[in-house]
Amino acid sequence: GAGVSQSPRYKVAKRGQDVALRCDPISGHVSLFWYQQALGQGPEFLTYFQNEAQLDKSGLPSDRFFAERPEGSVSTLKIQRTQQEDSAVYLCASSPRYRDYEQYFGPGTRLTVT
Amino acid sequence: KNEVEQSPQNLTAQEGEFITINCSYSVGISALHWLQQHPGGGIVSLFMLSSGKKKHGRLIATINIQEKHSSLHITASHPRDSAVYICAVGDYGGATNKLIFGTGTLLAVQP
Repeated sequence: GAGVSQSPRYKVAKRGQDVALRCDPISGHVSLFWYQQALGQGPEFLTYFQNEAQLDKSGLPSDRFFAERPEGSVSTLKIQRTQQEDSAVYLCASSPRYRDYEQYFGPGTRLTVT
Repeated sequence: KNEVEQSPQNLTAQEGEFITINCSYSVGISALHWLQQHPGGGIVSLFMLSSGKKKHGRLIATINIQEKHSSLHITASHPRDSAVYICAVGDYGGATNKLIFGTGTLLAVQP
């Protein structure tokens, strides 16, 4: 069966450009998470969706970061006016239930801002 | 101080050795996860546990809730076990069950 997919896998952006990163969760999964992983670090939480509702966006580092999941399936993480410190791997994970359940991770999108 | 601490940060072992990676945490949790990440690859969930011990093949994970400590053991290690192993805890009482991650342990198993 299909796992979590993310696109693009690699993205190079010039400083100041806007980027959009896509996540396709496992079909039927209720919960969707975005994480940011800097080089040599563990992932850090960005935001969480339960179906189409964004219940927690406490990890978004600035108002340049925006995420949506309008129909409760595919999600897009948008970064406006990218900065060099935004360079990282952006991971998406989905889970079939609301709490205390295994999360299934996508392969990540490696964003490099030059 | 990080809420999730792992040790060691780097580990080199010879094929066949018994390996232990430790994780300590300072927050209340609903569950603890052990994850595996290969270079350039995605993250794979190995275990999720909230008490006791779980075993899958050559991998064993234990947790002591009172001491806020977990260990991941690999028996009869093999070069294909080389990866980054990450401990993550589920946020207790939170509405989102977001994970808080350790920085990972880079394991290299030499033939």
